[in-house]
Formats: sequence, structure tokens, C-alpha cells
Amino acid sequence: NAGVTQTPKFQVLKTGQSMTLQCAQDMNHNSMYWYRQDPGMGLRLIYYSASEGTTDKGEVPNGYNVSRLNKREFSLRLESAAPSQTSVYFCASSDPRDRDGYTFGSGTRLTVV
Amino acid sequence: DAKTTQPNSMESNEEEPVHLPCNHSTISGTDYIHWYRQLPSQGPEYVIHGLTSNVNNRMASLAIAEDRKSSTLILHRATLRDAAVYYCILRAGGYQKVTFGTGTKLQVIP
Repeated sequence: NAGVTQTPKFQVLKTGQSMTLQCAQDMNHNSMYWYRQDPGMGLRLIYYSASEGTTDKGEVPNGYNVSRLNKREFSLRLESAAPSQTSVYFCASSDPRDRDGYTFGSGTRLTVV
Repeated sequence: DAKTTQPNSMESNEEEPVHLPCNHSTISGTDYIHWYRQLPSQGPEYVIHGLTSNVNNRMASLAIAEDRKSSTLILHRATLRDAAVYYCILRAGGYQKVTFGTGTKLQVIP
């Protein structure tokens, strides 16, 4: 099925560990996004990529890095995980030319202990 | 960035229509109004969007005020599967820093 695929679905890290969240889309979308959602909160934009080779900071970029590997893939890296980064992470993609909606992945639930 | 305001929660009886309001008094002329919903433990799902005219699709209808400062998502017959958090956002196209607020949590009562 076409859509946005995120891996892993669940992860537990110890404080200070690093990890990369993977995201891939097969809809030929130009733009990709990483959001985080804390319990009882809305989604906040971490980073986004307008097109292959470009990335920009969103609302809450501190503690994260991203890589737009190619048009399909957009990864999010935590270099030194902190308990404050415990959250559910969503990747999304969109085609900005037609103003249609975002397509979201099913999320990665990350716990930092 | 233009902001939206939604009630925190609403209730509806099953098989009755639901009208979910959204205020966006600072909307600009190029902003499209988008609605998403998020079912428990899932990512948000696109529902509908519009610019000036009312819109209908298989999931819902979107009614946009003439001055565009408010809109209403209409679910014609609520089902238990419609219980979700509904988000109203403004999007001008391109790569804006769109942030989703806390949305409206819809409870559907059997």
C-alpha cells in the first residue's frame, strides 16, 4: 500500500544513547516532515525538508538532526537522547504544488529512561 | 503564522450529525483550511480541505464562512469509528512550518 513507512514502531533508549528514526514514502512527494507529539498535546514540527537536499528547522529542533537521503527517505537522529525527548514521533510527506493534505506514518513511540 | 482555535472536546450521539467549529480570524487570502483527524494510537489522517467554497467528500463536508474567519467540519452521521481528535489547520502550500494545535476530541456516545 502506498504511504509513509516509519521504523521502528517502538524504542526504549537510555539517557545519552543515540538512534536514528527512519521514514520512507512512496508517493513521489517532494516535501517531508518530522513531528513529535507529547501526551495530551498537539503535534509540533521538529524539522522539515522542502525537497531532496534541503532541510529546515521547525518549532522544536534542539537535540535533533535530520538527513534527506533521497526523495523517498527522511531520517531523524537523536545524538544524545534525553528523557525530555520521550514522545511519539510522526513522519509526514506532502506535495506542496497542489496544496493537498499531508500523509502521516503510523508513528514511532520512543521512551528515554 | 495564522492560528486556529477549536473547542477542547465535544460529544455526539451515534448516527446524529456533528458540527465541529474552528475559528481562524487571522487567515490570509492564500491560506487553505485543512482538517485532519487522529484515531487513538494512529497518525493523523487527512479529512478535507477548502479555500472559499464549501466542500464535500466521502468522509465529511466543510462549510466555510463568507469572511473565511471560521469554518465547520460536518460529519453527517457520527459513528463510533469517528471518535477521534480533529485538527483544523491553515496551509498556504509550500513548505511552511505548520504546527497542529491540540484539536477537538470528539466522543461518540452509543
